[in-house]
Amino acid sequence: NAGVTQTPKFQVLKTGQSMTLQCAQDMNHEYMSWYRQDPGMGLRLIHYSVGAGITDQGEVPNGYNVSRSTTEDFPLRLLSAAPSQTSVYFCASSYLGQDTEAFFGQGTRLTVV
Amino acid sequence: AQTVTQSQPEMSVQEAETVTLSCTYDTSESDYYLFWYKQPPSRQMILVIRQEAYKQQNATENRFSVNFQKAAKSFSLKISDSQLGDAAMYFCAYRPENAGNMLTFGGGTRLMVKP
Repeated sequence: NAGVTQTPKFQVLKTGQSMTLQCAQDMNHEYMSWYRQDPGMGLRLIHYSVGAGITDQGEVPNGYNVSRSTTEDFPLRLLSAAPSQTSVYFCASSYLGQDTEAFFGQGTRLTVV
Repeated sequence: AQTVTQSQPEMSVQEAETVTLSCTYDTSESDYYLFWYKQPPSRQMILVIRQEAYKQQNATENRFSVNFQKAAKSFSLKISDSQLGDAAMYFCAYRPENAGNMLTFGGGTRLMVKP
C-alpha cells in the first residue's frame, strides 16, 4: 500500500515564486490535512478537508490555498512564497469518526530564499 | 483553543533503562484523544501510543506505556528497556472527538539514548 504520498520531498523556491505541494492517499480517507513543522515546534495545522469540495482553515492558513476536487488528492498551493514559509510540510489523512488514526506522508522540506 | 505543552526540550537515557517524557494539555472538552508520536531523522511521523479520554486504564504498547491523569490534564510517556532505535523526537498530540486528524501538537522532546 502506498498510503500517503507527498511530492516533492525537497524544494527550493525564490521569494515570490509559486508552487504546489502534492498529496495523494489511496486509503479512501475522507479527512485530509496539511501541517507545517518549524524548528523547535510541533506540527501546526494549515488547512484541512472533510471530503471532496469541502475545505477549511486551520491554525496558520495565511499564504496558503487548498482545494479538494477528489477524495484522493489534496494539493497545497503557495501563491507567492515568502522566507517565513520555509518549513517542513506534512500531509495527513484519516477516516472521519471517533476511532481513527492519522496517517502521515514523508514530508516536504521547503526552503524559500 | 487547546494547547499542548512538553516542558522537556531534551532528555537522555542509558540503553536498557527507563525514561519518562512529560506532556500537559489544556482543554474544556470531556471527550478527546491523546497521542504520542515518534519522529526519527527520516522525518516520518510514527504513532507510538494512543489514549482515549473516556478510558481510565492507561494504554500500553510493548515497552511503551502512558500515565494519563485526566483531572491534572497530564499525559506522560514511559519507555522501558530503552533501545538505541528509540532515539528520536517525540511529540505529544491532542485531538477532539470526531475531529479526523485535526491534531494539536506539543513542541516535542528530543530523546537521546546512550549506549
